[in-house]
Amino acid sequence: NAGVTQTPKFQVLKTGQSMTLQCAQDMNHEYMSWYRQDPGMGLRLIHYSVGAGITDQGEVPNGYNVSRSTTEDFPLRLLSAAPSQTSVYFCASSFRTHTPYGYTFGSGTRLTVV
Amino acid sequence: GQQVMQIPQYQHVQEGEDFTTYCNSSTTLSNIQWYKQRPGGHPVFLIQLVKSGEVKKQKRLTFQFGEAKKNSSLHITATQTTDVGTYFCAEGNDYKLSFGAGTTVTVRA
Repeated sequence: NAGVTQTPKFQVLKTGQSMTLQCAQDMNHEYMSWYRQDPGMGLRLIHYSVGAGITDQGEVPNGYNVSRSTTEDFPLRLLSAAPSQTSVYFCASSFRTHTPYGYTFGSGTRLTVV
Repeated sequence: GQQVMQIPQYQHVQEGEDFTTYCNSSTTLSNIQWYKQRPGGHPVFLIQLVKSGEVKKQKRLTFQFGEAKKNSSLHITATQTTDVGTYFCAEGNDYKLSFGAGTTVTVRA
């Protein structure tokens, strides 16, 4: 099993550009989430999904869209990139009852918006 | 915002010494999860605590959940250079995690 796969690993965008961060998992996990990580602020939840066709907003959803058409994939779309969206983005997935395995994280996408 | 607060933010440890990092909440936690993130890496799940007063050990790491389920601690004995990284606690509910800001650990050889 590959676990959680994120692409790309690095990306530089110009302000106003749009892009999609890809996330795929092969563990048949029901729950998937997107987090952003900024220095000194831990990981903040952007959007999450409890199953195919079901998504909801997290703590910092503005400027991002998600969809979940399949169990495996959970892409994150940046609509119009801003410098404030420079961050490291992590996708994570979990079984519905995540005890005792917790969440599995992807290796991250390091995004810079100039 | 963050429901769990971690202290200290930074921990500088001499190799071989012990240290403890703490996770506190003003509300009762349903459960607490701990993750470790190596520099440049991604968070990796360490453990989940669910029961009041629960204590779990993983080799040199001891995790504890408070009796009131409002705090948790991670104690590392005989720190090694492999312990370098940031340790996060997170409250988990059914479908999402709320993370603390983390404790970043550096080790002096």
